[in-house]
Amino acid sequence: QSALTQPASVSGSPGQSITISCTGSSSDIGDSYYVSWYQQHPDKAPKLMIYEVTNRPSGVSNRFSGSKSGNTASLTISGLQAEDEADYYCTSYTGRTTVVFGGGTKLTVL
Amino acid sequence: QVQLQESGPGLVKPSGTLSLTCGVSGGSMISSNWWSWVRQPPGRGLEWIGDVYHTGDTNYNPSLKSRVTVSVDKSKNLFSLRLTSVTAADSAVYYCARSLGLGDFDTWGQGTLVTVSS
Repeated sequence: QSALTQPASVSGSPGQSITISCTGSSSDIGDSYYVSWYQQHPDKAPKLMIYEVTNRPSGVSNRFSGSKSGNTASLTISGLQAEDEADYYCTSYTGRTTVVFGGGTKLTVL
Repeated sequence: QVQLQESGPGLVKPSGTLSLTCGVSGGSMISSNWWSWVRQPPGRGLEWIGDVYHTGDTNYNPSLKSRVTVSVDKSKNLFSLRLTSVTAADSAVYYCARSLGLGDFDTWGQGTLVTVSS
């Protein structure tokens, strides 16, 4: 299985909104309701931010939102804050009972 | 609240076997969750390795399937990872995690660095 494709980096200023894309195929994102997004700060374990494409776990800010269109999923962060600077990873469950990660995107808050 | 803690050797010789365990505290492993392993080479992205259900059912990353075994010991509330024939490419931080088996890892261990070197 191939890794999902994410931009290597994105950036934005405090208060702005940014969107991170995650492109797969008809075998994963295109055929799955199960896309998740993770935030990872340096030397920390990843944290679940979005699951099942659009759902936020308890405690995650509503500034984080997810969506999907065709083979591409997206994570949008509105009202950027300094603490949002981190690496972000997407995942998709595949019909073959496996999970594939994206390559990761480094978010810089200018 | 469930907590996970990885343990095992931090150094493994090339061609040897990497063995890690993940202790589960604060909850039972007999639930609707799957118990997973994810790794991250230094400076690189995350890679799903495989998972196990409390019944012993497993799923593996096809690229690692021939070398990986994930097992569960409900009596001790832990699950394990075994990776054979390791090379330097297997050097990584190894995380254990809990999920519903659908890529939604909601609880993670702190991670443990394993280096493959002679």
